[in-house]
Amino acid sequence: DAGITQSPRHKVTETGTPVTLRCHQTENHRYMYWYRQDPGHGLRLIHYSYGVKDTDKGEVSDGYSVSRSKTEDFLLTLESATSSQTSVYFCAISESRRDPTDTQYFGPGTRLTVL
Amino acid sequence: AQSVTQPDIHITVSEGASLELRCNYSYGATPYLFWYVQSPGQGLQLLLKYFSGDTLVQGIKGFEAEFKRSQSSFNLRKPSVHWSDAAEYFCAVGAGDYKLSFGAGTTVTVRA
Repeated sequence: DAGITQSPRHKVTETGTPVTLRCHQTENHRYMYWYRQDPGHGLRLIHYSYGVKDTDKGEVSDGYSVSRSKTEDFLLTLESATSSQTSVYFCAISESRRDPTDTQYFGPGTRLTVL
Repeated sequence: AQSVTQPDIHITVSEGASLELRCNYSYGATPYLFWYVQSPGQGLQLLLKYFSGDTLVQGIKGFEAEFKRSQSSFNLRKPSVHWSDAAEYFCAVGAGDYKLSFGAGTTVTVRA
């Protein structure tokens, strides 16, 4: 299994509070991704990173920000959590030096509940 | 932009029977296609992928998929399912920009 950890694994928070989720990899892969998984929608890309300090938006980026100050860590921040952000969040990594077909490997997920 | 449709939300199959999961994609050029499986409470695991060459792709756990350009499809098959194949299956398409678009998923239930 790819060395990907996510923390916390479970979190319950209140509307309006900031939340930060962490993804940590030990594979030294260049690309990192944050997805959210909701019933009936599959996985939707929130943000991704193609290198340290290099990030870009996915299809559902509103209300989320990311940072990547080190190759191994990719942080997802909900600036002011809303109930619509209750979801399961997955981090993924891929080597993708030149090959966009490189496999994305997924972490175990973080279940976030916003009350 | 690319997109994926998985027409079947839920499929129930008997153990030992064959399984076919449908996936249709929308993309103007040659897509990169993937099938992932998610067991309950787990992350996603890659079953197989297609990007060029032979249109019949073999994957792990006895799964295979066939790319049919004329039908814009990439259906997943397994000749004989095991109880451990009960999971949610996701088809995904990549357009060469290092991002994937996922279908909504198909949940497979295996009955004894």
